[in-house]
Amino acid sequence: ELKVEQNPLFLSMQEGKNYTIYCNYSTTSDRLYWYRQDPGKSLESLFVLLSNGAVKQEGRLMASLDTKARLSTLHITAAVHDLSATYFCAVDPRSQGNLIFGKGTKLSVKP
Amino acid sequence: NAGVMQNPRHLVRRRGQEARLRCSPMKGHSHVYWYRQLPEEGLKFMVYLQKENIIDESGMPKERFSAEFPKEGPSILRIQQVVRGDSAAYFCASSPLPYAGGPGEQFFGPGTRLTVL
Repeated sequence: ELKVEQNPLFLSMQEGKNYTIYCNYSTTSDRLYWYRQDPGKSLESLFVLLSNGAVKQEGRLMASLDTKARLSTLHITAAVHDLSATYFCAVDPRSQGNLIFGKGTKLSVKP
Repeated sequence: NAGVMQNPRHLVRRRGQEARLRCSPMKGHSHVYWYRQLPEEGLKFMVYLQKENIIDESGMPKERFSAEFPKEGPSILRIQQVVRGDSAAYFCASSPLPYAGGPGEQFFGPGTRLTVL
């Protein structure tokens, strides 16, 4: 069974702190996606990781991919309140757009 | 460049009625995907369509649900005889032509929140 597991599922952190969200997946996938969702809103694409060892950074967020370990990380540096949202990772095991999503990590950044 | 459009944004139906959800992909995108999101859950794939073709419907319930993407006009997700368990947010996504052997990055619409009374 295809599984995409994120942890933690809930994360409360203080502004200025660093933390990492983990995404494990159970099948091969040649790409991995990270999305952000604000409450009641749609999904915003953050990163598309296409190869082993890929690392992408945007502002305070950095994503990496290890296809051998089937693991992706989303690292948050010096968190700010505006980063509060739910973050999803997703894989595309058949390379045709049938994305398999994790359950999401609900991040709350407190002053 | 308008993004993915969905309407209606909110839809209320009574049990047994039909629900029709519409999705217009981004300009230049020929691939459309439908996902369902239950409260506090991730998105579940339902169906993948190209113009006039259903490519993968492995996530669609066998009964009451259907989808189409006609040559002209938006993609439609149709739910017949709705039940309370159909209450969810339904998201449509679109992507451009395939690259590297598979579809490109997906861009999501704002979603339709269906409530079945």
